[in-house]
Amino acid sequence: GESVGLHLPTLSVQEGDNSIINCAYSNSASDYFIWYKQESGKGPQFIIDIRSNMDKRQGQRVTVLLNKTVKHLSLQIAATQPGDSAVYFCAENSGYSTLTFGKGTMLLVSP
Amino acid sequence: DTAVSQTPKYLVTQMGNDKSIKCEQNLGHDTMYWYKQDSKKFLKIMFSYNNKELIINETVPNRFSPKSPDKAHLNLHINSLELGDSAVYFCASSQGVDPYEQYFGPGTRLTVT
Repeated sequence: GESVGLHLPTLSVQEGDNSIINCAYSNSASDYFIWYKQESGKGPQFIIDIRSNMDKRQGQRVTVLLNKTVKHLSLQIAATQPGDSAVYFCAENSGYSTLTFGKGTMLLVSP
Repeated sequence: DTAVSQTPKYLVTQMGNDKSIKCEQNLGHDTMYWYKQDSKKFLKIMFSYNNKELIINETVPNRFSPKSPDKAHLNLHINSLELGDSAVYFCASSQGVDPYEQYFGPGTRLTVT
């Protein structure tokens, strides 16, 4: 399958659990952060974003937390569903019209 | 009513050939991008165009030449293909030059043999 040989960090959860995916970013001057979800064979899809003047933002079943002190971003997914299985990327605004993407975390949700 | 579309979805070709990938967006955005995703899923910006003008070129070999005939299209032409060019190429678009929410196409899987 597509995951063979990828060696992405993987988070395995049971359906109904809450999931937390973490991301460390590199540029302390970044002022905008975004989480994307990429399902197998598809392009990245926007989940939620946050600006550096906030430390928390909530969407539908998702929450993003930003800790600028330690340059850490997390994505929390409540009541994880099998359809949430995908690779999740964080990205930061690293300059003019540029998003720098993190390495990705694979989320596997078992029924 | 696809927002960002790319053709072809799959492209298999031999080393040394020249190929093009096309991208179109119907979102009315004025900024478009090309990204390369390698076998480890690492996603990296290649080019960014705003109103048909190149604004970002992230040290991509000059065998890669983007062309934007209008704001809704950004095509990628690759000359003298190499094995290392094998990857999935994504087109994306956004409104304005600030890298806010970018909408991605479905990707083109390029395999060079």
